Parts: sequence; structure tokens; C-alpha cells
Amino acid sequence: DIQMTQSPSTLSTSVGDRVTITCRASQSISNWLAWYQQKPGKAPKLLIYKASSLESGVPSRFSGSGSGTEFTLTISSLQPDDFATYYCQQYNSYVTFGGGTKVENK
Amino acid sequence: QVQLVESGGGVVQPGGSLRLSCAASGLIFTNYGMYWVRQAPGKGLEWVAFIWSDGSQKYYADSVKGRFTISRDNSKNTLFLQMDSLRAEDTAVYYCAKDAYGSSWGHSDSWGQGTLVTVSS
Repeated sequence: DIQMTQSPSTLSTSVGDRVTITCRASQSISNWLAWYQQKPGKAPKLLIYKASSLESGVPSRFSGSGSGTEFTLTISSLQPDDFATYYCQQYNSYVTFGGGTKVENK
Repeated sequence: QVQLVESGGGVVQPGGSLRLSCAASGLIFTNYGMYWVRQAPGKGLEWVAFIWSDGSQKYYADSVKGRFTISRDNSKNTLFLQMDSLRAEDTAVYYCAKDAYGSSWGHSDSWGQGTLVTVSS
């Protein structure tokens, strides 16, 4: 089974900051990686797929990069609506989610 | 636009059964694989089951294999999850999610609002 490790688990940050979240796979997954945003009591929302493709309607301040085993989600300038939990997901072999990164207000 | 609406959640005793449904609209249902994903209270996301667009292939997480059954009725645009021999650790919000593809593993571009399953005596 492919394991996905996200870091950090919690990120205390402020509006306007540049935010970077890392996701590492236990083996190569090529670029079969997605990023989701989830707010309390809501379903996850797709942000990025195939490691770097921006889902339609998602603001351009979100970007993804990486391939193989190491991936990053970057928010170029954090907005108030971006405080949430973020999950990576590999779909190279079955599906596995990372443990999540909670982005909270400093 | 795509809409997925889950139903069937509730409180059930350990060892009991429950059947979840997910009604889909706004898409050609027969074109897409479908997932069930769950989230225990205060925890992360866990994939539960996946079914191909034509229903011919089904896959399960080890944690539910042999107890849960995923199925679909493409004539009614509905996805199901039959859950038997339920355990306390199955307590979670269960989401149905649409795969971006038909017959291969992919990202999920649409999700339902979720239905809560509580396993407790």
C-alpha cells in the first residue's frame, strides 16, 4: 500500500502569507496526486489534480508542483477564506489520503 | 451542475447493518466511477470503496473488506453501500464522490454532503 505523509500537520499563519504544504509518497506515484480543501462540516473540495493542474473555478493563488514522491501545495497569498484543512491524495494505485494539514490563523 | 445526495445514515448497534444511497444528477452517471470515502469524528479522510462506471469492478479498503458491498443502479443514477457487521470504528461521515474517469483510479471532482453513521449500543 502507498502511504502519504503530509507536513506540517498544523500551520499557524496570517492573511497575506505565502503557505507551502508538503506531501510525500512512500513510493513513486508519477504525477497522480490531488489536493483538496475541507472546511468544518463540509465536504472536501478539489483544488489541484495531476499534481499541478488547477481545477476549474479555483483561484490562481493555489498551485501544485512535484512528481515521483514529493509534492507541494502553495498558496501564494493567503486569504481569509483559505483557513481550512488540506489533504493530498494519491491515485496511482488505489487511493490514499494524507493525514491533513490544518491552516489556522496565527 | 453535478449533485450527489447521500441518505441512509443513522444510529445502529454493533453487529448491525445499514444501507447508504447516493442519488446523482447533472451528469451522465454511467460514464463515471464512484467512490465512498469516510471521515471519523475529528479525523482525516479514508477511502472505503470504489466501483467502475459499468459496475464490473469493485475495490475495498482492507478495513471494510468482507463486510461492506458497493453497488450501483445506472438506470436510477444511484450508488449504494451495504454495510454489515458494523463496528464502533465504522462511526463516521460517509461521502460519495464522483471519479473524474470511468474505469481507472482518479481524483474526485464532485462530492456529496455526507451522511453520518453512528455505531453504538
